[in-house]
Amino acid sequence: DAGVIQSPRHEVTEMGQEVTLRCKPISGHNSLFWYRQTMMRGLELLIYFNNNVPIDDSGMPEDRFSAKMPNASFSTLKIQPSEPRDSAVYFCASSPLGAGVLETQYFGPGTRLLVL
Amino acid sequence: QKEVEQNSGPLSVPEGAIASLNCTYSDRGSQSFFWYRQYSGKSPELIMFIYSNGDKEDGRFTAQLNKASQYVSLLIRDSQPSDSATYLCALGGGSKFYFGSGTKLNVKP
Repeated sequence: DAGVIQSPRHEVTEMGQEVTLRCKPISGHNSLFWYRQTMMRGLELLIYFNNNVPIDDSGMPEDRFSAKMPNASFSTLKIQPSEPRDSAVYFCASSPLGAGVLETQYFGPGTRLLVL
Repeated sequence: QKEVEQNSGPLSVPEGAIASLNCTYSDRGSQSFFWYRQYSGKSPELIMFIYSNGDKEDGRFTAQLNKASQYVSLLIRDSQPSDSATYLCALGGGSKFYFGSGTKLNVKP
C-alpha cells in the first residue's frame, strides 16, 4: 500500500496568492483529516470528512480556507488569499471503516508551506 | 483549558531506563486514545491505541488509561536512543479529535 500521498511536498508562495494542497488517502479508508502543525500551536485539526462529506470544519481558521473531497480518493485544501501566518506544515490523514475519530489515523508526509 | 495537556519536556532518560509520558484530558466523552511518535521533520506515526481502562502492552510500550481521573500515559521500557522523538497524545469522540502539544523525549546513550 502506498500510504497517504500528499502534494506538493514543499510550497513557497507570495502573500495574496492562491495555494492548493492535495491529498490521496489510503484506498478503502472512509475518513480523511486535514491538520496544520506549527511550533506555536502544535497539531490542529482543520476539517474532517467521512464518506466524502465534511463532518466537522470547526477548526478551519477563516473563510480564506476551504476544503473539498469530490471522491473517495482525492481531497484538496485551498487557501485564498494566502498570508504569511499560514506558513506551516499541513498534514493529511486517513482512517478506515468509517468510524472516523475512533479509528487509527495514518498520516501523509505533509506539505511544508511558506508564504512570503 | 486545552482539551489535551502534555508536559512539553524535554524529558531526558538514560538508555535502558523506563520513560514515562503523561497526558490529561478534559472531554469526558472521549472514547479512543492514541499515542503517536513524531521524529523531527517527519509525520506522526501511531505507537498504540487504547479504548478501555487499564493497561495495554505492546512490546516495550505500555499504555495506561484511567477515565475516572482523565489521564492516559505511555511507558517505554528499556529506552533506546532511537526512541528520542516527540510523543503526541491524541483522543477522539463524537466528531472531535484532539492532539496534545507533545512531549519531547531524549534518550541519552
